[in-house]
Amino acid sequence: GAGVSQTPSNKVTEKGKYVELRCDPISGHTALYWYRQSLGQGPEFLIYFQGTGAADDSGLPNDRFFAVRPEGSVSTLKIQRTERGDSAVYLCASSPDSGNTGELFFGEGSRLTVL
Amino acid sequence: KQEVTQIPAALSVPEGENLVLNCSFTDSAIYNLQWFRQDPGKGLTSLLLIQSSQREQTSGRLNASLDKSSGRSTLYIAASQPGDSATYLCAVGFQKLVFGTGTRLLVSP
Repeated sequence: GAGVSQTPSNKVTEKGKYVELRCDPISGHTALYWYRQSLGQGPEFLIYFQGTGAADDSGLPNDRFFAVRPEGSVSTLKIQRTERGDSAVYLCASSPDSGNTGELFFGEGSRLTVL
Repeated sequence: KQEVTQIPAALSVPEGENLVLNCSFTDSAIYNLQWFRQDPGKGLTSLLLIQSSQREQTSGRLNASLDKSSGRSTLYIAASQPGDSATYLCAVGFQKLVFGTGTRLLVSP
């Protein structure tokens, strides 16, 4: 597609449930990033993929959070045993490659609400 | 640890005014500085990217400057319009960006 696509746009779940958020990057972009934005804050880095591998997952808050990118394109962010504090907008971004200017192109985000 | 601060947190101006948004960062060893625009309930739109070797970038009515030695960047918006109303975020780094909390801009007709 023309831009980064994220689904679902909105997700409401109950505490303790499992959630998957999907990101489809710009075609041809090899780098993919997940960020989390809480209300009134700037986005915070979660994880970055170069191809299929996670190059840096230092931003994942704990082991309930996991992300995959099995074929080097679409990525899924997985959250187990959701907590109310996980409520935020989860933003995905992509960039052409790791050696360029580093300009990131963001999707519209997936708003997660944990009741 | 890199920290990014944006001042002011909110700004309200009448249409037509020129305005400056400020961004400061604590670690001058940055790779890139990027300015983004975020409309309510939307994702981020990249406005300007300044690489560490550059001093400024311009796009239309927008001009962004970078002074690494003082840890500052400014985003200058000329002849503001109501359509410029949004939150403006600056971020430093490469791949692993560190964001400020943004400046919420309201331009009144």
